[in-house]
Amino acid sequence: GAVVSQHPSRVICKSGTSVKIECRSLDFQATTMFWYRQFPKQSLMLMATSNEGSKATYEQGVEKDKFLINHASLTLSTLTVASAHPEDSSFYICSARDRRGGFNEQFFGPGTRLTVL
Amino acid sequence: GESVGLHLPTLSVQEGDNSIINCAYSNSASDYFIWYKQESGKGPQFIIDIRSNMDKRQGQRVTVLLNKTVKHLSLQIAATQPGDSAVYFCAENKLGGGGNKLTFGTGTQLKVEL
Repeated sequence: GAVVSQHPSRVICKSGTSVKIECRSLDFQATTMFWYRQFPKQSLMLMATSNEGSKATYEQGVEKDKFLINHASLTLSTLTVASAHPEDSSFYICSARDRRGGFNEQFFGPGTRLTVL
Repeated sequence: GESVGLHLPTLSVQEGDNSIINCAYSNSASDYFIWYKQESGKGPQFIIDIRSNMDKRQGQRVTVLLNKTVKHLSLQIAATQPGDSAVYFCAENKLGGGGNKLTFGTGTQLKVEL
C-alpha cells in the first residue's frame, strides 16, 4: 500500500511551452500533497503544499504564477510549469500525506525529470 | 537554475562494514526526524524515523540516533551491502501553521566498495 505515482516520468520540451505533471495517490486518499524540486547533487526543496479543495501554499521565492498547482481530488494533484525555460529543468518530486495517518505518513512519488531545451 | 560544481559529501565503505551517516538539523523545535534513501533518478524512500522524545531507534540493519543537545542525527547501517549505495537524506518536521512540512538536509552519497 501507500503508493504514489507521477506522470510523466520524463519530459523534454521547448522553451516557452507549458508542462503538466500529475501526482496520484493510488491506494489512499491524500488531503495534502507536497511538491519538491531537486537540482543535480542537491537536496529536495519544498516548493508548495497542495491541499485538496483549496489554494496551494507556496514557499518563499516560488512563483505561484509560474508553478500552478491544482489539487482537485483526494487522489490527484497537478503541477503545471507555465512557459518553461531552461532554468526550470529539474527533477520534480511529489509526496502525499495519508489523511488517515499521523503527520509521519508522507509518501513520495518516483519523480519527473523535466528538461527544457 | 541548476548549480554547477556542487558535490555531495561522500562516504565510501567496504561491503560488510558498518556505515555511519551524520546530519545536523537546524530547528530546535522540530519534533520528528526521518531518514530517506534516494537512488539515482528515483524518489526518496523511507528508511526509519524517530520522534524527539527518543534518542535511539532501531530497525532492520539500521539504527537512528538523535542528540537534541547538539541538534545531531545519525544513521547507522550494519553490514553495508552494495544495494545500500545511494544518497541518504535526513529530514526534519517543522512545527507551525503550515503543518507537517519536511525540511531536508544536504544529503550524503554512500558508496559501497566490493
